[in-house]
Amino acid sequence: DTEVTQTPKHLVMGMTNKKSLKCEQHMGHRAMYWYKQKAKKPPELMFVYSYEKLSINESVPSRFSPECPNSSLLNLHLHALQPEDSALYLCASSQGDGGSLDEQFFGPGTRLTVL
Amino acid sequence: DAKTTQPTSMDCAEGRAANLPCNHSTISGNEYVYWYRQIHSQGPQYIIHGLKNNETNEMASLIITEDRKSSTLILPHATLRDTAVYYCIVRAFTGNQFYFGTGTSLTVIP
Repeated sequence: DTEVTQTPKHLVMGMTNKKSLKCEQHMGHRAMYWYKQKAKKPPELMFVYSYEKLSINESVPSRFSPECPNSSLLNLHLHALQPEDSALYLCASSQGDGGSLDEQFFGPGTRLTVL
Repeated sequence: DAKTTQPTSMDCAEGRAANLPCNHSTISGNEYVYWYRQIHSQGPQYIIHGLKNNETNEMASLIITEDRKSSTLILPHATLRDTAVYYCIVRAFTGNQFYFGTGTSLTVIP
């Protein structure tokens, strides 16, 4: 199984809502990632979890809160978002050993719209 | 991490080879070159990676110049399904984070 799954596929939320994005992989990978991608732009790294610990936070606003409950799951909790946070949110995973072939496997993304 | 520079867009005739260049003139000795592509509204897909030597797999070939300051991704026989945005990424050997460049939008023309 070389698949990264993300739910939901689409999410519409108001600025006062609290919602969560979910990402799951069963490849035994120990590194997981969140990216944000605006239309016609490349993905931007947000967070990196390595062995279930947050290792990188790319100065992301606190209204985005990541969580890694176990090695297979990665959540992104959303609260008090702004319309400019509307984007495709991509999750990825990799072996996490930093070796020569530490390719990242990406999920299909969650299309988020903030009203 | 080294930055990458790619042409914004390219066209290629179906059945011909597509050659996508990438400049990474500030790359350091322990940084790998990765190529990913993203078909519209899907997650990026791994294509190939290399350090110094040229590499080939079932999808593509990667040619890295001797000074490692640039590379070329070659799709030998482009099909319409190869229409996508192609990203060249430089990754440090000891790190596991990717920083995407702006990418090249490749359109394969029938």
